[in-house]
Amino acid sequence: AQRVTQPEKLLSVFKGAPVELKCNYSYSGSPELFWYVQYSRQRLQLLLRHISRESIKGFTADLNKGETSFHLKKPFAQEEDSAMYYCALSGYNNNDMRFGAGTRLTVKP
Amino acid sequence: EPEVTQTPSHQVTQMGQEVILRCVPISNHLYFYWYRQILGQKVEFLVSFYNNEISEKSEIFDDQFSVERPDGSNFTLKIRSTKLEDSAMYFCASSEGTGGTYEQYFGPGTRLTVT
Repeated sequence: AQRVTQPEKLLSVFKGAPVELKCNYSYSGSPELFWYVQYSRQRLQLLLRHISRESIKGFTADLNKGETSFHLKKPFAQEEDSAMYYCALSGYNNNDMRFGAGTRLTVKP
Repeated sequence: EPEVTQTPSHQVTQMGQEVILRCVPISNHLYFYWYRQILGQKVEFLVSFYNNEISEKSEIFDDQFSVERPDGSNFTLKIRSTKLEDSAMYFCASSEGTGGTYEQYFGPGTRLTVT
């Protein structure tokens, strides 16, 4: 069964501080991992995916298969990063995407 | 930039009534999805749809739910006899392809309130 765990419902940091949003998963096959973000009053949108190994808005995430984790990191948080962040998982060629419960990030000035 | 649209933005219905939630996916996309999010809970996958057929569905998607692509543009979710626990935000999404290479684009959601 696919399962995504985001242990922190709320995370608050000061502007300029590093931020790490945790995500752990369980999946028996080969996972595809994503981070989605939802800014206030906006729709859910893809932030990044492990397959592309890119940095978006300063965020990176590395898939660690040994620890079954896909933590989202940013070295210097900005106020505009305040949003709800969801980690999500699907299998290869699998449309059944499972979301974590989400972490609300607040970046204080 | 093309976007997924959903109507209505808010639907209020009485328990036992049928509702149809509508979505217009991005025009060149081939895969369509419905998700729901009960207030305070996680986003949950309901169903995916490709080539006029359900390709996958979750345990939530029982016989009271159905999906349809009645014409070339709309993608609908029907709930036959609504229950109080169906109250949630329903999101439609679409993608060009399947798997991790393809981004799912989400609509703004329809808030369904069952009274």
